[in-house]
Amino acid sequence: SQELEQSPQSLIVQEGKNLTINCTSSKTLYGLYWYKQKYGEGLIFLMMLQKGGEEKSHEKITAKLDEKKQQSSLHITASQPSHAGIYLCGAAQGAQKLVFGQGTRLTINP
Amino acid sequence: EPEVTQTPSHQVTQMGQEVILRCVPISNHLYFYWYRQILGQKVEFLVSFYNNEISEKSEIFDDQFSVERPDGSNFTLKIRSTKLEDSAMYFCASRAAGSLGGKLFFGSGTQLSVL
Repeated sequence: SQELEQSPQSLIVQEGKNLTINCTSSKTLYGLYWYKQKYGEGLIFLMMLQKGGEEKSHEKITAKLDEKKQQSSLHITASQPSHAGIYLCGAAQGAQKLVFGQGTRLTINP
Repeated sequence: EPEVTQTPSHQVTQMGQEVILRCVPISNHLYFYWYRQILGQKVEFLVSFYNNEISEKSEIFDDQFSVERPDGSNFTLKIRSTKLEDSAMYFCASRAAGSLGGKLFFGSGTQLSVL
């Protein structure tokens, strides 16, 4: 079965700093999804990557999928308190199932 | 903005009791899911449901679990005889037809505590 490993597990950054979260898959990714989870809330879809080398951006968040389609990164530029939360990568397994990484807990210090 | 609603937000039950977790998916969505997250562990898939039947289920989803869409709006997860290890946050999710397979809309979850 496919396993996703995220690094780091937790991250504390100063407001305004850039940061990167990584997601590594044990198998080729055929759809890689990034979600964000705030405490006490459900997961919120951020972005989906499918093609090797693909890169997508939304506001100050950029996600990339490597050419081999086994690793993805999420980069936040000029972090803000609103970026705090838990970021999860998820891989599509078949048509109906997502397998998630363990999450990266992001704290933004003022 | 439409959202997935889950009730209750917290449920405490005794081991061996039946529980029903309720969800109201987004109204025009056709695919429905349950995921759960045991404290400190990954979010894990339980079951997917489409066209009034289960389309896929995980090994976790054994005979003690069942799902139902009793009317046009609710989607429920029943655990017949709860065990201590069923304690977790349970998330309901839904997806529109024609959307990306992994672009799900999640509810805020029901925290189930089995004592």
